[in-house]
Amino acid sequence: DAGVTQSPTHLIKTRGQQVTLRCSPKSGHDTVSWYQQALGQGPQFIFQYYEEEERQRGNFPDRFSGHQFPNYSSELNVNALLLGDSALYLCASSLVVSGFGTEAFFGQGTRLTVV
Amino acid sequence: EDKVVQSPLSLVVHEGDTVTLNCSYEVTNFRSLLWYKQEKKAPTFLFMLTSSGIEKKSGRLSSILDKKELFSILNITATQTGDSAIYLCAVVNPGNQFYFGTGTSLTVIP
Repeated sequence: DAGVTQSPTHLIKTRGQQVTLRCSPKSGHDTVSWYQQALGQGPQFIFQYYEEEERQRGNFPDRFSGHQFPNYSSELNVNALLLGDSALYLCASSLVVSGFGTEAFFGQGTRLTVV
Repeated sequence: EDKVVQSPLSLVVHEGDTVTLNCSYEVTNFRSLLWYKQEKKAPTFLFMLTSSGIEKKSGRLSSILDKKELFSILNITATQTGDSAIYLCAVVNPGNQFYFGTGTSLTVIP
């Protein structure tokens, strides 16, 4: 049973560029959440996708956008990259059961470095 | 503002010691509290707590939740070097949004 997979594992981008990160959820899961984890910090919630729609959003600018596909996989897009966007980006998948989610399973993350 | 605070921020112990990690929270519409262990990248799930006073146990790890005082503790007994990691606490609202603390970095010395 494949867990949560993310790609790429590492990425280096130049300030001002755009980046797309990808996530495939754990088999059977229908909800994908994205988190940004800066060094020495806990993961910060970016947004969550369920049924191909953004359900919730954290305190991140509109430069951060996403998408969920019919197969539940998801993309995170970041435009106009800033040096401060350098972080580990984690994807977590979960399953909504009776209106509530189960515990989230995390992927290995994408390490984004903006230079 | 919803927040989760973990303490201590870091901890260094010797093998065999017992440690207690703390997590306090102020979150609107609490649904559950989860503990994760993060060694390199992906946090791995440890416990999910929803009810006060019921201890969850897995080997040398145990955790309990106090919904009245808004905190949880994670205990690790007879620590081993393999327990060295960052331990994350997350509180979940009914919309399944996770609020993470900054984590406690645990280092176990042989």
